[in-house]
Amino acid sequence: EAGVTQFPSHSVIEKGQTVTLRCDPISGHDNLYWYRRVMGKEIKFLLHFVKESKQDESGMPNNRFLAERTGGTYSTLKVQPAELEDSGVYFCASSRSGTVITGRGYTFGSGTRLTVV
Amino acid sequence: QQQVKQSPQSLIVQKGGISIINCAYENTAFDYFPWYQQFPGKGPALLIAIRPDVSEKKEGRFTISFNKSAKQFSLHIMDSQPGDSATYFCAAKGGNQFYFGTGTSLTVIP
Repeated sequence: EAGVTQFPSHSVIEKGQTVTLRCDPISGHDNLYWYRRVMGKEIKFLLHFVKESKQDESGMPNNRFLAERTGGTYSTLKVQPAELEDSGVYFCASSRSGTVITGRGYTFGSGTRLTVV
Repeated sequence: QQQVKQSPQSLIVQKGGISIINCAYENTAFDYFPWYQQFPGKGPALLIAIRPDVSEKKEGRFTISFNKSAKQFSLHIMDSQPGDSATYFCAAKGGNQFYFGTGTSLTVIP
């Protein structure tokens, strides 16, 4: 099966601009997660979709971040306006319903490296 | 507040040596402890995992040792190989999300 696909792989934008990251989960995976790693820090949870519904968005840093998952398929994460501290690698992961408990069905994408200058 | 603390930040090991990475946590509600391996340009991939009712799990050259009373767990890589050079993250599952450590960059020298 195809893996989790994220694009772009890299994005360099100026402070104040808008950037939209996209994640295509593995087909059939109802659960979709966004995580972020700021350089040298831990990978941090941002939010969790079950199909098109936000199950948990407790990790979203502030209201400059907007995540959507229309139709329960791909998801987008928009940052508007971007700030310097938003730089980092944004990972998306997906899993089937009921498999997240083991983590084995929890597949990460390769990430989008966002640099805000 | 960092939920999972990982050390060391970087590690250099000779080929054939043992690599050891340590993690500690505070939240006793965590119910699953995986280790992820990440190569440059790739996403983290599950390497090995353990539940808190087990003290050790071994898969090939990789072993997790888990000390529930001390709230610590570690990854041991036996007979380390240059192909093991990667970043390793420990994690702990609470609810439907994972809490990750800061990562350890492992370099295995031929």
